[in-house]
Amino acid sequence: EAGVTQFPSHSVIEKGQTVTLRCDPISGHDNLYWYRRVMGKEIKFLLHFVKESKQDESGMPNNRFLAERTGGTYSTLKVQPAELEDSGVYFCASSQMGRGRWGNEQFFGPGTRLTVL
Amino acid sequence: AQKITQTQPGMFVQEKEAVTLDCTYDTSDPSYGLFWYKQPSSGEMIFLIYQGSYDQQNATEGRYSLNFQKARKSANLVISASQLGDSAMYFCAMREETMNRDDKIIFGKGTRLHILP
Repeated sequence: EAGVTQFPSHSVIEKGQTVTLRCDPISGHDNLYWYRRVMGKEIKFLLHFVKESKQDESGMPNNRFLAERTGGTYSTLKVQPAELEDSGVYFCASSQMGRGRWGNEQFFGPGTRLTVL
Repeated sequence: AQKITQTQPGMFVQEKEAVTLDCTYDTSDPSYGLFWYKQPSSGEMIFLIYQGSYDQQNATEGRYSLNFQKARKSANLVISASQLGDSAMYFCAMREETMNRDDKIIFGKGTRLHILP
């Protein structure tokens, strides 16, 4: 079974440009999460989709960030315009609804490393 | 507010020795889950172990065990017989679970573990 995949693995852009990150969750996982780790700091939650609906977007830093999950499958996270402080690693995770062995384990993707120059 | 504290930014341990990575947490939710994730240099986040707040026994998964001391709000990870492949960043994390088990995970800053040959 394929795991969570993210594209691209790395992205280097200039301040003011737009970048779109993509996440493909594990097939059948209704929950999809975005997290971000800025260098030297904690991994922080950005938002949570249940199918195509935004369940919790309390972690989105500002309105330059836009997340979508069309059809409840893959998700995109767009940053427009990008600022220097947006640099970091963006992780996507997915989980099944309902009770799993470990209370709905979140499976993480490999992350997208974003560098804004 | 929920918080995870990992006080060891880095550790060096001789191969085959046991390792304890410290983690303390803070939450007012009576039901919560505690996680440990491993992030090797390749970047992916690997789930290691989960402990529910109402679990009577400490969780174990192979060489990993979680030393759960509820009164002290402590959830240390113990790795027995360390191996070179254990060198990685380790994150302690928590999820509040009274409302649902699909909620976001809160992470600590991580501990970088170096296993010496």
